[in-house]
Amino acid sequence: DAGVTQSPTHLIKTRGQHVTLRCSPISGHKSVSWYQQVLGQGPQFIFQYYEKEERGRGNFPDRFSARQFPNYSSELNVNALLLGDSALYLCASSLWAGTDNEQFFGPGTRLTVL
Amino acid sequence: QQPVQSPQAVILREGEDAVINCSSSKALYSVHWYRQKHGEAPVFLMILLKGGEQKGHEKISASFNEKKQQSSLYLTASQLSYSGTYFCGTGSYSGAGSYQLTFGKGTKLSVIP
Repeated sequence: DAGVTQSPTHLIKTRGQHVTLRCSPISGHKSVSWYQQVLGQGPQFIFQYYEKEERGRGNFPDRFSARQFPNYSSELNVNALLLGDSALYLCASSLWAGTDNEQFFGPGTRLTVL
Repeated sequence: QQPVQSPQAVILREGEDAVINCSSSKALYSVHWYRQKHGEAPVFLMILLKGGEQKGHEKISASFNEKKQQSSLYLTASQLSYSGTYFCGTGSYSGAGSYQLTFGKGTKLSVIP
């Protein structure tokens, strides 16, 4: 069975640009969560989506937005990139919303902002 | 608020045991444990739920004290493959159907021959 997939694997952008990251969950999973992980730290929660609706939002500025599509795949958008946005962006899929079921992580997208 | 993990780092010889602790100041619905190796994504190990239900790998055990809002991960007879950074994630509910999984800073475990 295919796991969680993310694209692209790596991305280099300059300050002020916009970026879109993509995630496809495990087949049968209806919830997708996004995390930001900077070097040496644990993943930091950005969003959770279930059935195309936002079910959780972390402490991130409005420059960060996301959406989920009818096939349960998801996009994370970041506008007006800052140097501090450089990080590994992880997507995790789970059967349903909430935190009472396992989340499985994808390989991540490494974003570098110059 | 971010859960606190201890110790920050530990070195074991193959075959030794270790305990990693995770504590939170918030009421918890669940505790999740993950292991991440350098350059890789976190790998699910175990989830512990309020009421005592647990799901995870057979060779890994953990406890969840709901009253104290603490969890511990027990690694027995460690193998070289156990090396990595272990993260606990605490599940909380902030109302209006909003959930959040908050991770600690991690515990770096190194197993040496």
